[in-house]
Amino acid sequence: GENVEQHPSTLSVQEGDSAVIKCTYSDSASNYFPWYKQELGKGPQLIIDIRSNVGEKKDQRIAVTLNKTAKHFSLHITETQPEDSAVYFCAALTSNTNAGKSTFGDGTTLTVKP
Amino acid sequence: DAGVIQSPRHEVTEMGQEVTLRCKPISGHNSLFWYRQTMMRGLELLIYFNNNVPIDDSGMPEDRFSAKMPNASFSTLKIQPSEPRDSAVYFCASSRDRDYGYTFGSGTRLTVV
Repeated sequence: GENVEQHPSTLSVQEGDSAVIKCTYSDSASNYFPWYKQELGKGPQLIIDIRSNVGEKKDQRIAVTLNKTAKHFSLHITETQPEDSAVYFCAALTSNTNAGKSTFGDGTTLTVKP
Repeated sequence: DAGVIQSPRHEVTEMGQEVTLRCKPISGHNSLFWYRQTMMRGLELLIYFNNNVPIDDSGMPEDRFSAKMPNASFSTLKIQPSEPRDSAVYFCASSRDRDYGYTFGSGTRLTVV
């Protein structure tokens, strides 16, 4: 089955700096890659996603890049703010399976220092 | 849309008691997932349904856990009998199709004493 590895497990940046979180996956059939943000006491929330026919996607201060050949994808947050502090999860999904079952990374705890 | 609704938000029970967690997915979503989250094990997929049919329950820890989805708007996760090691946050999530992201509920924090 699919295996997703996420690095780093913790990341601390100064407000205004950029943050990058990287994930690798093992199943070349995976074709959908969402990113989730989980704030304390809440459920994970989908913040951005990318499909295998796209190399990069941006939404304001966040962007995701995908390298299918190398089987890795990354989340980029620019101009970080204290409210970006949270746990971030990457996931990979193979839509040709019976149902959309995502495999999650172990999460990255991002701390943005004011 | 109210999102995915889970109840209760918190549950404290004694070891050996039956616990039932409830979930109402987003209307129109045809996939539903139950996850368990702990510090040690992270997010674990317990079971998921597609069009109300259980597709994969390989993540269910043991026979003490069972899940049902009697219709498109309701699902339950039951633990009987509960044990202290079941203490965790249980999330329900739904998605509108096989290759879309999930909408998670706020979770149920279960404490078994």
